[in-house]
Amino acid sequence: SQTIHQWPATLVQPVGSPLSLECTVEGTSNPNLYWYRQAAGRGLQLLFYSVGIGQISSEVPQNLSASRPQDRQFILSSKKLLLSDSGFYLCAWSVRSERLTDTQYFGPGTRLTVL
Amino acid sequence: SQQGEEDPQALSIQEGENATMNCSYKTSINNLQWYRQNSGRGLVHLILIRSNEREKHSGRLRVTLDTSKKSSSLLITASRAADTASYFCATPQGGKLQFGAGTQVVVTP
Repeated sequence: SQTIHQWPATLVQPVGSPLSLECTVEGTSNPNLYWYRQAAGRGLQLLFYSVGIGQISSEVPQNLSASRPQDRQFILSSKKLLLSDSGFYLCAWSVRSERLTDTQYFGPGTRLTVL
Repeated sequence: SQQGEEDPQALSIQEGENATMNCSYKTSINNLQWYRQNSGRGLVHLILIRSNEREKHSGRLRVTLDTSKKSSSLLITASRAADTASYFCATPQGGKLQFGAGTQVVVTP
């Protein structure tokens, strides 16, 4: 069966510090991968998606970046965090397809607090 | 603009009661999905209904889709305390899946 991992589960970082969140998927090959951010009590904002190694599409201009160094690994990074980067970050995968609207399977999330 | 919007924003019921929440969307879709999120956790896919389907069941869940009204409903029958969660509808927009702000459901014993 497929599983998706995210770490760390929680993170408290000072403003201006770097960030690296990792997501890995097991039990499937060539998945589409997604990074979302969720503000408290709100819906999900799509940040990045990837349909293959090294292929990253950004949805929202910001100081975050994403990389996919391996087929089932997706990393969210920042060189300098802002207060507004605080939130709940969710990684998700879906079956490899040109469609990005198929069922998505989510990781447990990372709670980021920037102070 | 928000493609899928859930209504109500919050719902409080007692165990055994039914819970109904609605999702309205703006543009034509080929499918609509419902997800559940327990507090502080990731989303879990519940059900996908295609545009040519009117109703779909999964256990105690019943989803309807009315494409003429551009709306969907999720019914949870005989609710349990474990159903306490936020429920989101997700619809395709611009080739991506867009999630609403969710309905927060609290089921009290």
